[in-house]
Amino acid sequence: EVQLVESGGGLIQPGGSLRLSCAASGFIVINNYMSWIRQAPGKGLEWVAVMYSGGTTDYADSVKGRFTISRDHSKNTLSLQMDRLRADDTAVYYCARDGILSAAGRLDAFDIWGQGTMVTVSS
Amino acid sequence: DIQMTQSPSSLSASVGDRVTITCRASQSISTFLNWYQQKPGKAPNLLIYAASSLQSGVPSRFSGSESGTDFTLTISSLQPEDFAIYYCQQSYSIPYTFGQGTKLEIK
Repeated sequence: EVQLVESGGGLIQPGGSLRLSCAASGFIVINNYMSWIRQAPGKGLEWVAVMYSGGTTDYADSVKGRFTISRDHSKNTLSLQMDRLRADDTAVYYCARDGILSAAGRLDAFDIWGQGTMVTVSS
Repeated sequence: DIQMTQSPSSLSASVGDRVTITCRASQSISTFLNWYQQKPGKAPNLLIYAASSLQSGVPSRFSGSESGTDFTLTISSLQPEDFAIYYCQQSYSIPYTFGQGTKLEIK
């Protein structure tokens, strides 16, 4: 079965660090584009970061310089290292696979999502 | 960044109704537009990709269309399980951006 399972969320003080993990099954992480997307309580969806299959990365301006996306091929996992956390980073964090294979080739769309992990930044 | 504006923000409808949700991009994004459905406490679920392609396993009552920078999600005959929040998302350029969501409620 193709699925993603996030872990690592919790309560952290402002300025602290947290590392989220996303374990994939049914497909190989390094062969795909993989993103982190977050949702603040009662709010909409915000894209956070992407790791491309080639290993390069992109980030939302709101997290650039504070968050780092990475992957571990041996464990087939995606990670998000979050440093210098702020109250406005409080959200459910989802990992998602980005890529649909169609007759037109590969298209960007988040087709597989994890269940999400809650990060609360508060003193 | 490309801004995605959905309308309406909320919508009340009855089972069996035909419903249309609109998403407008702040600039041309070709057909790089996806639609998601989110139910309370759950992750979003991909419904439509590339503006009009139905994701595998999604009922055919869902459809998408495009006209310039305006995109439409249509549900032809609402079912009880369709009451949820719907989001559009552009995949034309980084940063990927989402609309603010449309909450579809039971009348």
